[in-house]
Amino acid sequence: EPEVTQTPSHQVTQMGQEVILRCVPISNHLYFYWYRQILGQKVEFLVSFYNNEISEKSEIFDDQFSVERPDGSNFTLKIRSTKLEDSAMYFCASKGTGTNSPLHFGNGTRLTVT
Amino acid sequence: AQSVTQPDIHITVSEGASLELRCNYSYGATPYLFWYVQSPGQGLQLLLKYFSGDTLVQGIKGFEAEFKRSQSSFNLRKPSVHWSDAAEYFCAVAPARGSARQLTFGSGTQLTVLP
Repeated sequence: EPEVTQTPSHQVTQMGQEVILRCVPISNHLYFYWYRQILGQKVEFLVSFYNNEISEKSEIFDDQFSVERPDGSNFTLKIRSTKLEDSAMYFCASKGTGTNSPLHFGNGTRLTVT
Repeated sequence: AQSVTQPDIHITVSEGASLELRCNYSYGATPYLFWYVQSPGQGLQLLLKYFSGDTLVQGIKGFEAEFKRSQSSFNLRKPSVHWSDAAEYFCAVAPARGSARQLTFGSGTQLTVLP
């Protein structure tokens, strides 16, 4: 069964550095998402992306965050200047166009900001 | 705004026992409802979903869930738990309208299975 893949599985970075988290969604999906889960907290919606533009974003997704689909397969989340509170598990998800298509999640990237 | 409540933070059951994980939602209309499971170090795997129709839905790994509109609930059940079911379980809702299908998650229920 096709799956969403995320790289790296774990990234450690210093505060103030830029990070790029990478995702390869399922190939025929057109809706893409980033969610995050701070340790011990809920999974939270960050952003959705469709037709090469952001369709929705949460209040978490401020100017430090950006998303891009640089080619036909990758979907990236960039954090421009990381803060300690950005430490979390970041999940990418994708969805097909069918009315009843669910989200399919990747295994996540654990980001640790020191 | 939509919200999801999972009242049980942690549940412990013995292997072979039955299981019910509770989920209540708050939403203006009937939403789409989901249960996801997260094993340690793994991503979120879809167990089952409810969109419309039969209110008892079957999922993978022997799980089922029942949508009860009158109680705004979507509880997850399994008749006989296996040790491999130990994981964290998340209930989620999404708007029935629109294609973006943004999910709102509950806080999760951690399931421990005793031998």
